[in-house]
Amino acid sequence: GAGVSQSPRYKVAKRGQDVALRCDPISGHVSLFWYQQALGQGPEFLTYFQNEAQLDKSGLPSDRFFAERPEGSVSTLKIQRTQQEDSAVYLCASSLGMASSGTQYFGPGTRLLVL
Amino acid sequence: QQQVKQSPQSLIVQKGGISIINCAYENTAFDYFPWYQQFPGKGPALLIAIRPDVSEKKEGRFTISFNKSAKQFSLHIMDSQPGDSATYFCAASKKGGGNKLTFGTGTQLKVEL
Repeated sequence: GAGVSQSPRYKVAKRGQDVALRCDPISGHVSLFWYQQALGQGPEFLTYFQNEAQLDKSGLPSDRFFAERPEGSVSTLKIQRTQQEDSAVYLCASSLGMASSGTQYFGPGTRLLVL
Repeated sequence: QQQVKQSPQSLIVQKGGISIINCAYENTAFDYFPWYQQFPGKGPALLIAIRPDVSEKKEGRFTISFNKSAKQFSLHIMDSQPGDSATYFCAASKKGGGNKLTFGTGTQLKVEL
């Protein structure tokens, strides 16, 4: 079946613009995660959803970052008033259940460049 | 505070050789330790994972060795192939609150002919 998809794959924004990044998880997956991956670094956790409930947003770097998953499937990560330090690859991952050992399946990411 | 430390940052291995990547963690609440493989332009993909109740897990050419007392774990790639050239990340997660992953900084592996 289809894996995790993300759109757009690339986004160039001018500093101060708002952006919205979309994630389509694997159908039926309960858990959804957003990670930020800076160039040459490992992914860093941003936020976690269990169905439509956002259970952990401890990794969001500022109140300019907002994520939602209103119907428990598709998720959107929104960044308001983008800054140059927001430039990174934003990865979405989903897993079937909620166990700590559940395999996370990652999408290809959205590469955001803020000029 | 970096909770999962990974080394080396880069590694060059000859075809057929053994690639070894090491990770150390600090948080004793971690109870799941996966390794992910990432190719350029792609998302990370699970390679192999281990729980702390075993000291070793092998899947094909890939083996995880786990030392709970030292809070260290490592990935061994036997008979390394050019197609293994990628970036490898160790990670860890803990019980409760879903399974958010804390990643290491990555090891860029190149397997030469």
